[in-house]
Amino acid sequence: LAKTTQPISMDSYEGQEVNITCSHNNIATNDYITWYQQFPSQGPRFIIQGYKTKVTNEVASLFIPADRKSSTLSLPRVSLSDTAVYYCLVGKSNDYKLSFGAGTTVTVRA
Amino acid sequence: KAGVTQTPRYLIKTRGQQVTLSCSPISGHRSVSWYQQTPGQGLQFLFEYFSETQRNKGNFPGRFSGRQFSNSRSEMNVSTLELGDSALYLCASSLTGENTGELFFGEGSRLTVL
Repeated sequence: LAKTTQPISMDSYEGQEVNITCSHNNIATNDYITWYQQFPSQGPRFIIQGYKTKVTNEVASLFIPADRKSSTLSLPRVSLSDTAVYYCLVGKSNDYKLSFGAGTTVTVRA
Repeated sequence: KAGVTQTPRYLIKTRGQQVTLSCSPISGHRSVSWYQQTPGQGLQFLFEYFSETQRNKGNFPGRFSGRQFSNSRSEMNVSTLELGDSALYLCASSLTGENTGELFFGEGSRLTVL
């Protein structure tokens, strides 16, 4: 099971880009990388998932280098409502459900 | 379509009692997983069910149990409650439980043990 390491917290200001890097040195060949967002007293919400290179959707971008030992979630032009905990998950099959970790608390200030 | 529904949303129990929490997954989803979330421990995996069978289990004592019914609805039970069981219990469903599938979470059941 790939272990992930991400910063405990990050601060930003409205309109800035926030980049959260997750380290997963022992990622396996079949592992995918998935990011979730969680607001207080709510369940986590899927943001984005990728296997390699770059993935982009209407919410975020996910950058994965060739060695796949890390990944970076990029949130463009954040607003106050993006204040949340962000989780990086790595795994295959059902395994990734086991590894939510503590996440990164992102605080966006006005 | 309706999201994941968890009941009850809030409940208060005393030590030694037992509690049953319910989770109704999104229609068509066959995988249901349960998590415990506390301020100190973060989000921790309890167990996962697929087609009425437990496929994965986290590192929790036997007081924590669950089951899944033929309609994919799931329940989890905690017996002999301890103060440390106070937490937000989250349920998530997915179509097949494979890693390329998105997990859809409910809003959780907040349990307070006095």
